[in-house]
Amino acid sequence: EVQLVESGGGLVHPGGSLRLSCAASGFTFSSHDMHWVRQVTGKGPEWVSVIGTAGDTYYADSVKGRFTLSRENAKNSVYLQMNSLRAGDTAVYYCVRGNGLDVWGQGTTVIVSS
Amino acid sequence: SYELTQPSSVSVSPGQTAKITCSGDVLAKKYARWFQQKPGQAPVLLIYKDTERPSGIPERFSGSSSGTTVTLTISGAQVEDEADYYCYSAPDIQWVFGGGTKLTVL
Repeated sequence: EVQLVESGGGLVHPGGSLRLSCAASGFTFSSHDMHWVRQVTGKGPEWVSVIGTAGDTYYADSVKGRFTLSRENAKNSVYLQMNSLRAGDTAVYYCVRGNGLDVWGQGTTVIVSS
Repeated sequence: SYELTQPSSVSVSPGQTAKITCSGDVLAKKYARWFQQKPGQAPVLLIYKDTERPSGIPERFSGSSSGTTVTLTISGAQVEDEADYYCYSAPDIQWVFGGGTKLTVL
């Protein structure tokens, strides 16, 4: 079964940092781009970032310079390092398989609040 | 920047046909996808390349496209189809999403 499991969310103060992890299983992880998409409750999702199979990364303007996406193929995992967090980063963060965003994890919740 | 526009809500009775539209300039040149989201559950891909259905998705879910509008049709909607539905597309490396449509079946 293809599965993505996110972890690392939580409550953090503005200006703080969090590292989200996504563990993949059930498919050839190294052959797929991996994305992060976030969603504020009651709103449409927002694309955040992608890492290609060669490790190339792209970011939404809203997070560029603050978020860093990396992958570790040996562990079938991707990591989203989030620094200088703001209240506007509060959302559920989903790890999503490339190939047209065809498989989504359950999400992990990030709350940025003082 | 690209935008995708969906109605905020659609309501049907069980057994009726529900149609959810998604409009945006990007759809004239890029394929659309649809996913279903139920509370507390991972989103599930329903339709890709405007009209294709992944394996395991019931046949009552179908997609169509015309110009800058795509439509998700649920033929014979069931109570368990009550959920939020989102369209999305990729004008470039980034993906854009509609605001979502809440489908009520009662």
